[in-house]
Amino acid sequence: DTGVSQDPRHKITKRGQNVTFRCDPISEHNRLYWYRQTLGQGPEFLTYFQNEAQLEKSRLLSDRFSAERPKGSFSTLEIQRTEQGDSAMYLCASSSGRNNEQFFGPGTRLTVL
Amino acid sequence: AQKVTQAQTEISVVEKEDVTLDCVYETRDTTYYLFWYKQPPSGELVFLIRRNSFDEQNEISGRYSWNFQKSTSSFNFTITASQVVDSAVYFCALSEEDSWGKLQFGAGTQVVVTP
Repeated sequence: DTGVSQDPRHKITKRGQNVTFRCDPISEHNRLYWYRQTLGQGPEFLTYFQNEAQLEKSRLLSDRFSAERPKGSFSTLEIQRTEQGDSAMYLCASSSGRNNEQFFGPGTRLTVL
Repeated sequence: AQKVTQAQTEISVVEKEDVTLDCVYETRDTTYYLFWYKQPPSGELVFLIRRNSFDEQNEISGRYSWNFQKSTSSFNFTITASQVVDSAVYFCALSEEDSWGKLQFGAGTQVVVTP
C-alpha cells in the first residue's frame, strides 16, 4: 500500500497525558499537512510542512501541540497535557505540490477520558 | 469566518435519482483553488476534483459533474443516477493565494442513497 499511513489508528488516553501520532506520507510527496476533524464538521487545518520546514501553523495549534518532520519524510504530532476538548480525528495528508490534490490518510481517532 | 458554506446538512435520495450538492465560497483573492472530497463511512477522505479560479468550464467525470460559477461564488456538484455506494459525506474546500496548500473545508453534506 503506497498511500498515506497513520499510526496509531485509535488512541484512548486520560486527561493530562501526552500522546504522539505518526504520519508517513506518499514517498515522493514533499508537502505534509495535519488537520483535525470533530464529529459533524469538516477537517480544520492545523499545520503543514514543505520538506522538513514547518511553513504555517493554525491558531488552533496551542502551545500544547507540536509537530515535526525531521528528515522531510514522516511527521509526528504531539499533544501534551491532553484535554477532553482534544478528542477528535487527526488527519494527515500529503501532496506533491502546493496546489495539487492532497491525499489523506485514514486518521488517528483520539479519545481523551 | 466560514469561507466555505455547504448549506445542506443532509440529502436523502432513492437510487437512480440525481442529487446536487451546493457549495458557496468567499475569498478576496483572484487566484484560488476549489476542491471536492468524499468521506465514505470508512472515514478516509477521497479526492474528487480540483478546479482553479481561471477555469470556469464545467466538468463531467462519469456520473459526477461540477458547475463552477464565479459570478455567484459557487462550485456545485451533481451526482447523476445515484447509487448506494455514493452514500457518504461530501466536502467542498478552498485554497487561497495567501496560504497555498491550506484547505479550508465546509461542514460537509451527508448524502444518503437508499435502494
